[in-house]
Amino acid sequence: LAKTTQPISMDSYEGQEVNITCSHNNIATNDYITWYQQFPSQGPRFIIQGYKTKVTNEVASLFIPADRKSSTLSLPRVSLSDTAVYYCLVVLGAAGNKLTFGGGTRVLVKP
Amino acid sequence: NAGVMQNPRHLVRRRGQEARLRCSPMKGHSHVYWYRQLPEEGLKFMVYLQKENIIDESGMPKERFSAEFPKEGPSILRIQQVVRGDSAAYFCASSPLSPGQGVGTEAFFGQGTRLTVV
Repeated sequence: LAKTTQPISMDSYEGQEVNITCSHNNIATNDYITWYQQFPSQGPRFIIQGYKTKVTNEVASLFIPADRKSSTLSLPRVSLSDTAVYYCLVVLGAAGNKLTFGGGTRVLVKP
Repeated sequence: NAGVMQNPRHLVRRRGQEARLRCSPMKGHSHVYWYRQLPEEGLKFMVYLQKENIIDESGMPKERFSAEFPKEGPSILRIQQVVRGDSAAYFCASSPLSPGQGVGTEAFFGQGTRLTVV
């Protein structure tokens, strides 16, 4: 299972764009990249998932370079309510696999 | 369609008692996962079940912990003879497919059960 490395914490200000980069050097051909968000005292929430290039939804964008050894979650124009822990996961593309969470990145959005 | 329901939200047990945590997955979801989270730490995988079967229990302590997901009813995580170190938030998640079975196969998490052992 590919190990992920992401910054422990990041500070930002309201209205700014936040980019969190995750390294997954030994990602395998069938693996997907998935990001979850967790607010204090709540369960994680799925944000976005991708395999390569760029994926965008109403919440975030996910950039994956051609070698897929890293990925960047981009949160546009953050607000105070985006303060949370963001987890990068690599999911093996096959049945019977669990989600393995790392330490995550604690994002603090300041006014 | 209600989300993943966990109960109780808070549970206090004395050392040596049993704790039973319940998880009702979303309708139509046959895959259930349990995670444990200590304060200020990440989520640690415990067990993955698919209707009546344990698929992966590699994160489950060998003693005192057990999990089931019967054909009818919620999934149950059972902790026997609780100790102070069992105090944590326990999260359950469900998905319609195994996470790796396709892009967009997300897992939905419940609000968690906070277990306090006194």
